[in-house]
Amino acid sequence: QLQLQESGPGLVKPSETLSLTCTVSGGSISSASDYWGWIRQPPGKGLEWIGSVYYSGSIYYNPSLMSRVTISADTSKNQFFLKLRSVTAADTAVYYCTRIPTWIPLPDPWGQGTLVTVSS
Amino acid sequence: DIQMTQSPSSLSASVGDRVTITCRASQGIGNDLGWYQQKPGKAPKRLIYGASSLQSGVPSRFSGSGSGTEFTLTISSLQPEDFATYYCLQHNSYPPLTFGGGTKVEIK
Repeated sequence: QLQLQESGPGLVKPSETLSLTCTVSGGSISSASDYWGWIRQPPGKGLEWIGSVYYSGSIYYNPSLMSRVTISADTSKNQFFLKLRSVTAADTAVYYCTRIPTWIPLPDPWGQGTLVTVSS
Repeated sequence: DIQMTQSPSSLSASVGDRVTITCRASQGIGNDLGWYQQKPGKAPKRLIYGASSLQSGVPSRFSGSGSGTEFTLTISSLQPEDFATYYCLQHNSYPPLTFGGGTKVEIK
């Protein structure tokens, strides 16, 4: 059964870089059948797709975040990563990692999510 | 980019009620739409894909319909475990993916 688990600091200072890791088990991020993505949800608000990475190295970003985001992957560790630079309080959110099947790009399953708070 | 407008943003209903949630796309997306259920403190769960196909394991009281620009999620008889927030998600223009704003279903 495919499982995803986010990890990383729960507190980041303003202007610094948020860094998260998603570890995938029960499946391979080298699969041609899937993208691997990040989605976030500010407290009490809706969901926002951040970006996705494909095994070939193709990476797609939300245009609204593109200038600050880097997504990458390490197939040897079956992990993919999120870096968000120059964070502000508006980046405080629960960050989810997820699989996005190529045959129908609707995220499933999701990790449990990790809350990242931006505060000094 | 395609915008998704979901309505209502919240509703109150009783157990056994029929509930309908609407999602409108700013341009036609065919049937490239899914519906998700999110309970407090949990990750969203996919309920519907292809606008009307029920995800395996999801109760049959959930149904989806629509195509083009207007879509609905219907719960035929609301159960206690259905009180949650529901989101639509379009993937016609992927990337990006675009979510609706969400509908919180509360107990009346």
